[in-house]
Parts: sequence; structure tokens; C-alpha cells
Amino acid sequence: NAGVMQNPRHLVRRRGQEARLRCSPMKGHSHVYWYRQLPEEGLKFMVYLQKENIIDESGMPKERFSAEFPKEGPSILRIQQVVRGDSAAYFCASSPATGIYGYTFGSGTRLTVV
Amino acid sequence: AQKVTQAQTEISVVEKEDVTLDCVYETRDTTYYLFWYKQPPSGELVFLIRRNSFDEQNEISGRYSWNFQKSTSSFNFTITASQVVDSAVYFCALQRTGRRALTFGSGTRLQVQP
Repeated sequence: NAGVMQNPRHLVRRRGQEARLRCSPMKGHSHVYWYRQLPEEGLKFMVYLQKENIIDESGMPKERFSAEFPKEGPSILRIQQVVRGDSAAYFCASSPATGIYGYTFGSGTRLTVV
Repeated sequence: AQKVTQAQTEISVVEKEDVTLDCVYETRDTTYYLFWYKQPPSGELVFLIRRNSFDEQNEISGRYSWNFQKSTSSFNFTITASQVVDSAVYFCALQRTGRRALTFGSGTRLQVQP
């Protein structure tokens, strides 16, 4: 009965490279959410996805960031041409389609851009 | 717009002391949900409580208690007889009814000294 699985736990990228962060939701959960936590700050909502659909991307930066949740496989948060300011912890959460709007968070991916 | 304010950036107490973490929120919605999460040094997010805005009853769970005051838009969290293992960053969050995104406060770092 695994929880939300995120990998990798730590990711180091050089400026200009691409970062791919993966999130496998809890079994039975079809909704995925991505949040970013900058150092010494709270979490900021980025995007909410259902299978093959982006429902709310109001928190996504307009450039270089994209997210997907394909029919099969994990959700991917992709950051192109990373910059130092992208260094942060990225958390994924999942929830079921119906019922209370509770979340289960993953352990996060710590991205460091050098 | 929604906003969550945790004015206490950092609190330090000695073991066995009681400590209250403040959370003040702003929303125009009449129904909403409030959350508290714990982020220990290991970095994961641990769910503590979810409260519906219609339910103003205070809640107690072991050494933890929550005081929800809709009149002052506050949802404060008290730890009784604190322990070293309570050392963590604590986040308060707000969720609008019908929306999935959570708005987090900036967190309060609690340090419990032995």
C-alpha cells in the first residue's frame, strides 16, 4: 500500500540542462498536484492534473515548465533550461477523484541547479 | 484572493513546555478547509488535521489541539508538553471549496530543546 512515490529524491543539474521529476500517485488516486517549496518558504501550488488533462495550471511559470500525467505511467514535471532560481523542493500530492479533497503528499524531489 | 499568515517565523522552547503556533487566514469564501502539516528535518510533509469552516469545535488529538475561531479568521495549533521529536516546520494551509489547490503559509520553525 505504497504512498505517493517521487523520484529522484535529489537531483543535481547544471544551468541550461533539463530536469524531469516523476510522481506516481497512490493506488486508486487519479488526481495529481505539484507544488514548489523555495528555501525557507512555504509551498506554492503549481499545477493540478488528471489523467491526460491539465485542470489548473495557474501556478505554473509561463516558460520552461511543463507537466503531464499520461494514461499510463507517472506524472512528470519537466523544467527546461534550468536556472539557479529553480533550485527548490518539488512536492507532488495525489487524491481520489471523489470524496473529500484531502491530499497525500510525496517526500519531494530536491532540485539543485549548479 | 486567499492568504495564510504565520507570523511566527521561529519558536524555541524547552522540552515539556506548551507552545502555540498561530495561523491567520484571509478568504472571501464562506466555506473552505483549513489544514496543518508538519515538515520534520527529513523533509516530507506529514498531514496533521483538516477542518471544515462550518465546524468550529476545537479538536484535541493526544498532545495536539487546534483552536478554530472564525470570527478572527484564526486556526491556531497548540502542542502540550512539547518533546524534542516535535521539532519541525509547521505549515497552515487553506483550501477553497470546489478548488483543489492549497494556499500555504510560510511556516513556523519549532525548535524543542532537551
